[in-house]
Amino acid sequence: GAGVSQSPRYKVAKRGQDVALRCDPISGHVSLFWYQQALGQGPEFLTYFQNEAQLDKSGLPSDRFFAERPEGSVSTLKIQRTQQEDSAVYLCASSPRRGVAYEQYFGPGTRLTVT
Amino acid sequence: KQEVTQIPAALSVPEGENLVLNCSFTDSAIYNLQWFRQDPGKGLTSLLLIQSSQREQTSGRLNASLDKSSGRSTLYIAASQPGDSATYLCATIMEYGNKLVFGAGTILRVKS
Repeated sequence: GAGVSQSPRYKVAKRGQDVALRCDPISGHVSLFWYQQALGQGPEFLTYFQNEAQLDKSGLPSDRFFAERPEGSVSTLKIQRTQQEDSAVYLCASSPRRGVAYEQYFGPGTRLTVT
Repeated sequence: KQEVTQIPAALSVPEGENLVLNCSFTDSAIYNLQWFRQDPGKGLTSLLLIQSSQREQTSGRLNASLDKSSGRSTLYIAASQPGDSATYLCATIMEYGNKLVFGAGTILRVKS
């Protein structure tokens, strides 16, 4: 079956532009996570959804970052007024059950470059 | 705050060698530990997941061990192959948390 998909795969934005990154989780997966991976680093947690509820957004670096999952399926990560430090790969992961005791399945990521 | 460290940062070995990747973490109150593989331009693939009550997990040529009390895990790769070339990441989930905390990874190159 299809895995986690993300679009676009690559995005170049000029500083100050708004961007929207999309994640399509595996069908039926309850939990959805967003991570940010800077060059040469491991992924860092941004936010977590259980169905449509955003249960943890402690990793969002500023109020310019906003995530939603209105129908408990597709999720969008929005970054307003992008800055150069936002350049990174944004990874989405989904998990079939509630909580984090279960394996997370990762998408290929969106590479964002802010010029 | 959990911190995960991986050593070495990069490793280059000839094909056929056995190798060990190291991972250490500062807070031993983990729920589980996972090893992932990341290929360029692709997402993460889970290799092995070790629950906090377990000491090791094996899958094919891979064996991961966990010493929770000392905050250490190792990933052993037997008879390495060029196809094993990738970045290997370890990550923990805390007993009281809901997110993976990753190390920076080890970049492995297996030369043919």
